Amino acid sequence: QVQLQESGPGLVKASQTLSLTCTVSGGSISSANYYWSWIRQSPGKGLEWIGYIYYSGNTYYNSSLKSRVTFSVDPSRNQFSLNLASLTAADTAVYYCAKTGTLDLPYLYFDDWGQGTLVTVSS
Amino acid sequence: SYELTQPPSLSVSPGQSVSITCSGDKLGQKFVCWYQKRPGQSPVLVIYKDDKRPSGIPERFSGSNSGNTATLTISGTQALDEADYYCQVWDSSHVVFGGGTKLTVL
Repeated sequence: QVQLQESGPGLVKASQTLSLTCTVSGGSISSANYYWSWIRQSPGKGLEWIGYIYYSGNTYYNSSLKSRVTFSVDPSRNQFSLNLASLTAADTAVYYCAKTGTLDLPYLYFDDWGQGTLVTVSS
Repeated sequence: SYELTQPPSLSVSPGQSVSITCSGDKLGQKFVCWYQKRPGQSPVLVIYKDDKRPSGIPERFSGSNSGNTATLTISGTQALDEADYYCQVWDSSHVVFGGGTKLTVL
């Protein structure tokens, strides 16, 4: 089982850019078998997929966030990262990094998750 | 965009069975997975590919998917099954989650 751990600021100001990092242990981020993803949950709301990145750097983003989000991967550190720009209060959420259990998109599911990190956007 | 609809809440008595539904257009033609999320914890995959259980998930969790509805069934519900449950599919190059069902065991 792969372990994932999010890190980053817990409080950011509106209009600024959020940067989060997910550190992977117990497995290699360079594995060709998984996608690495970010998912968030706003207070009192459901889960929202942000996007995923492959070890090669290929990305796919939720169209609702695509204009503001950028993912990157650092194989040397076994990490992948999220940048989310132009923050508003609506971006306040617990942010999770997760690993897919397959590359087969129709069957896509997330079998390993980080513990999550709460990000609050302040005005 | 594709939508998945779940009942907001359900309740069940300990030891009884409960079915949580997830509805979507032609959902039976897609592959559904389910997550359990307890407050303050990360989601846990309990069913994938409609009816497959990951290792470590109790046999009392089962899944099915047909027509426009997928169902997560918990047999012999225990107090520790009290949680939010989310269905999820892949559609049009997006991961789509249902709105979640809060299961209360009382």
